Amino acid sequence: GAVVSQHPSWVICKSGTSVKIECRSLDFQATTMFWYRQFPKQSLMLMATSNEGSKATYEQGVEKDKFLINHASLTLSTLTVTSAHPEDSSFYICSARPARSTPTDTQYFGPGTRLTVL
Amino acid sequence: AQSVTQPDIHITVSEGASLELRCNYSYGATPYLFWYVQSPGQGLQLLLKYFSGDTLVQGIKGFEAEFKRSQSSFNLRKPSVHWSDAAEYFCAVGSSYKLIFGSGTRLLVRP
Repeated sequence: GAVVSQHPSWVICKSGTSVKIECRSLDFQATTMFWYRQFPKQSLMLMATSNEGSKATYEQGVEKDKFLINHASLTLSTLTVTSAHPEDSSFYICSARPARSTPTDTQYFGPGTRLTVL
Repeated sequence: AQSVTQPDIHITVSEGASLELRCNYSYGATPYLFWYVQSPGQGLQLLLKYFSGDTLVQGIKGFEAEFKRSQSSFNLRKPSVHWSDAAEYFCAVGSSYKLIFGSGTRLLVRP
């Protein structure tokens, strides 16, 4: 149980285009989902927290107009990288927190999406 | 501010040898601490966690970790490493519902 999927697993796009990444909780409802960015050989940096039915909360330094997050249902959150540029190339990871979980409960992580912007 | 430090970027051990991965944290209150493992193509998997009680916690795959408040540490250990343990390991501290990750330690296992 507690499986999180991401689609696509990898994507290559041209500079200036937009890319959408989906994050789904397959067997549980997730009121909260998180989006992380991971640079090579570095840690996961939290980009934003999305709560179902409300606006996402972005971490300091993350451009909300560039990284659009939508959490329209209890099982799906999307991250859209708008007008992507090579510096946006990275590994994007989502995680989901089940409904009624506590701070001591773990998040469940997707396998990640590798974005390459040419 | 909360932070997590994993001082070892990578560690190489021989199969069958013991392992200790270091993690130090900075947190004002009693921390919620986690160890995750990241393997290629898979999401981060929780190995174990600590938030109260016995300071020695047991996890999956034969891992354990000990919380030492005086040293602000939460080191991960395994008595005998298997080749399948080769992966990236992340220590994290929970802040409310968020996680703050260390930079990770890559474990290489020699045959």
